[in-house]
Amino acid sequence: EVQLVESGGVVVQPGGSLRLSCAASGFSFDTYAMHWVRQAPGKGLEWVSLIGWDSRNIYYGDSVKGRFTVSRDNSKNFLYLQMNSLTTEDTALYYCVKDFRGGGDTWGQGTLVTVSS
Amino acid sequence: DIQMTQSPSSLSPSVGDRVTITCRASQSIRTYLNWYQQKPGKAPKLLIYTAFSLQSGVPSRFSGSGSGTDFTLTISSLQPEDFATYYCQQSYTPPYTFGQGTKVEI
Repeated sequence: EVQLVESGGVVVQPGGSLRLSCAASGFSFDTYAMHWVRQAPGKGLEWVSLIGWDSRNIYYGDSVKGRFTVSRDNSKNFLYLQMNSLTTEDTALYYCVKDFRGGGDTWGQGTLVTVSS
Repeated sequence: DIQMTQSPSSLSPSVGDRVTITCRASQSIRTYLNWYQQKPGKAPKLLIYTAFSLQSGVPSRFSGSGSGTDFTLTISSLQPEDFATYYCQQSYTPPYTFGQGTKVEI
């Protein structure tokens, strides 16, 4: 069974940093691009980042560019999102998503990041 | 960045109705358009990819059409389990922006 399990979401103060993790299983992780997508409480979906299967191609949404860094460890089947200079606008449920033709065919359950003083 | 605009923002159809949701891109995205369904408290589910391809396991009452800048998601006969929020997303060029969502509610 294809599965994605996110972790690392906590309450953090504005200006703080956090690293999210996503454990992948049930598929050949090292052959798929992966996305991060977030959803603020009661709001719509916001695409955050994409990393290619070999980490050569990396892209970010405008609202996180320069503050967030996506990475992956294909030897451990893990995807990461390093989040710095967090603001209240970053409060959201963060989903790890397996790429399929540019979209996402498998989503994790999400991990909640709350930025609050 | 490419902006994606969905309409309507919400609608209240009846079971058995034909439902149409539109999505417009701010520039041509060819057929790089995906549709998702999201139910409360759940992760989104891929319904349609590359504008008209039905994802495996998705009922055939769902269909997608369009190319360039204008796209449509159609539910041919709305079922009770179809009440949800629907999102379009372009995957033509990063950032892979989503529409704002269309809530199909009772």
